[in-house]
Amino acid sequence: SQELEQSPQSLIVQEGKNLTINCTSSKTLYGLYWYKQKYGEGLIFLMMLQKGGEEKSHEKITAKLDEKKQQSSLHITASQPSHAGIYLCGADMNTDKLIFGTGTRLQVFP
Amino acid sequence: NAGVMQNPRHLVRRRGQEARLRCSPMKGHSHVYWYRQLPEEGLKFMVYLQKENIIDESGMPKERFSAEFPKEGPSILRIQQVVRGDSAAYFCASSPQGVPYEQYFGPGTRLTVT
Repeated sequence: SQELEQSPQSLIVQEGKNLTINCTSSKTLYGLYWYKQKYGEGLIFLMMLQKGGEEKSHEKITAKLDEKKQQSSLHITASQPSHAGIYLCGADMNTDKLIFGTGTRLQVFP
Repeated sequence: NAGVMQNPRHLVRRRGQEARLRCSPMKGHSHVYWYRQLPEEGLKFMVYLQKENIIDESGMPKERFSAEFPKEGPSILRIQQVVRGDSAAYFCASSPQGVPYEQYFGPGTRLTVT
């Protein structure tokens, strides 16, 4: 079974709409990392969350980590076509590697 | 400061041939990670290396796959006798010493086995 579940798997929204992507773990997370992958390209680091209840924002993207440190959400406000891509959460579970979710494929149409 | 470099970006191999994927970490980074991304799937950890040392290879297939990170030069992921199922995007990430979770990713190498 997947240690890190992302939902939804895919999302199609109209430009200007808000959206939320979730990342849920069955274990306590020591850190949660959000990345964006443009189709056919590498990963771009977005944000890192380490403390329960932490929230960070960058431009129109906000990420939160819940108090229990088992769930994170990524919220995009007033989506733009430039937001399209695959969003991946990566978790630090106190091992020497990151565990990744399966990704959420976002499409934004005009 | 150049980011993580990977080459080639695209690699086509026939079944049975060998594939060599290279990764040059960011300057000052001493840790390298290799991940595989199969079509429509997430990133899967393969191996974690420091210079001249494999730290964790729990994600590496038992046969045909090997990785190294020599004292000088890039890290190499080597796949011998490739099969169609090896077709995937292979990503490399590097991190500074002591901060293994601060990983910076390269653009990936897309391997196609025909």
